[in-house]
Amino acid sequence: IAGITQAPTSQILAAGRRMTLRCTQDMRHNAMYWYRQDLGLGLRLIHYSNTAGTTGKGEVPDGYSVSRANTDDFPLTLASAVPSQTSVYFCASSEVGDADTQYFGPGTRLTVL
Amino acid sequence: GQNIDQPTEMTATEGAIVQINCTYQTSGFNGLFWYQQHAGEAPTFLSYNVLDGLEEKGRFSSFLSRSKGYSYLLLKELQMKDSASYLCAVRDQDYKLSFGAGTTVTVRA
Repeated sequence: IAGITQAPTSQILAAGRRMTLRCTQDMRHNAMYWYRQDLGLGLRLIHYSNTAGTTGKGEVPDGYSVSRANTDDFPLTLASAVPSQTSVYFCASSEVGDADTQYFGPGTRLTVL
Repeated sequence: GQNIDQPTEMTATEGAIVQINCTYQTSGFNGLFWYQQHAGEAPTFLSYNVLDGLEEKGRFSSFLSRSKGYSYLLLKELQMKDSASYLCAVRDQDYKLSFGAGTTVTVRA
């Protein structure tokens, strides 16, 4: 059982390039999330999806887009990367219930030059 | 939205007890979570509180006071492997989490 996988593990990207970060979960969780983590700021929610076919904006959605075509996959796309998008990106999933916690993937370290 | 505050750093000795405080101001409270994150790794779930009081899980305990907007995580019998960042997170009515910046705990021999 893999849980949540993310790809790539790390990436260096030129500014202006398009990039898709992949996230796949095998726990059949309804909800999935994308966060970025920056030193001193903690985890900030970018986009989320409570169920396949629906998505919502989090705290810092600008410059990012997501899709949720099925339960397992939740890719995050940077249409035109900028240096301020240099960060560690975590994907997470959960059931939507009282005590249900979020489970995190291993993260993608992205550097935009 | 949520405003979540926790200390930036704490240092303690192996075998000791450390208490990490978290205060929050929320527009809709639906539970408080604590996560542990080792350097270079993903956050992992430690505890969950939705009602006032103390939840104990082995060496870790978490306390919540909803009226005061306050929680703490208590780590007992500290071990070197407990050196990590501890994240306080508040869940809203839409089941989204807002995280504090994290508290880095360093355990010294």
